[in-house]
Amino acid sequence: GQSLEQPSEVTAVEGAIVQINCTYQTSGFYGLSWYQQHDGGAPTFLSYNALDGLEETGRFSSFLSRSDSYGYLLLQELQMKDSASYFCAVGSARQLTFGSGTQLTVLP
Amino acid sequence: GAGVSQSPSNKVTEKGKDVELRCDPISGHTALYWYRQRLGQGLEFLIYFQGNSAPDKSGLPSDRFSAERTGESVSTLTIQRTQQEDSAVYLCASSASGGQAGQPQHFGDGTRLSIL
Repeated sequence: GQSLEQPSEVTAVEGAIVQINCTYQTSGFYGLSWYQQHDGGAPTFLSYNALDGLEETGRFSSFLSRSDSYGYLLLQELQMKDSASYFCAVGSARQLTFGSGTQLTVLP
Repeated sequence: GAGVSQSPSNKVTEKGKDVELRCDPISGHTALYWYRQRLGQGLEFLIYFQGNSAPDKSGLPSDRFSAERTGESVSTLTIQRTQQEDSAVYLCASSASGGQAGQPQHFGDGTRLSIL
């Protein structure tokens, strides 16, 4: 089976940098994905790491260490609109298993 | 359409009734997924369709839940004899090709189901 752990809540101020960690246990690893979900909205894809290292997409970066079964999402220059839930997800051959999500609150 | 469309957006029904939820995936997407999301929780995988292959039903919580998809088009999720614990948001997602985690899943806005 697959399981993931991520913090339930993170709070940061506008303009700051925040890191959301994710540890996982899985059989048959096909990569780590991150999704953002605003309250009442649909999850939207942010990033995907299949190999170790850092992937950068604008203000957001995602990191993976397969040997440590660990990854993180890094959000820079935080904006109020970044307040949302962030989910990590691990892939098997056929499906994604999602973590319980981290609620990020950005304060002015 | 441009995105994944789900209907109805909200459904309130009495315990014991059957409900049918609909999902229109992005045109051309071969993979379609159904998830359940309870309040404040993560996404719980229910079922996965890939082209004309047999669906992966491993996430369906009970035999009251079933889903169908015709080819690579619309899918319906049916819940029979609804129970209060079925209250949740039901999300549908599609992707260009299934199987690989790197293929982004595109989600609809979900159906918010409330069982009285």
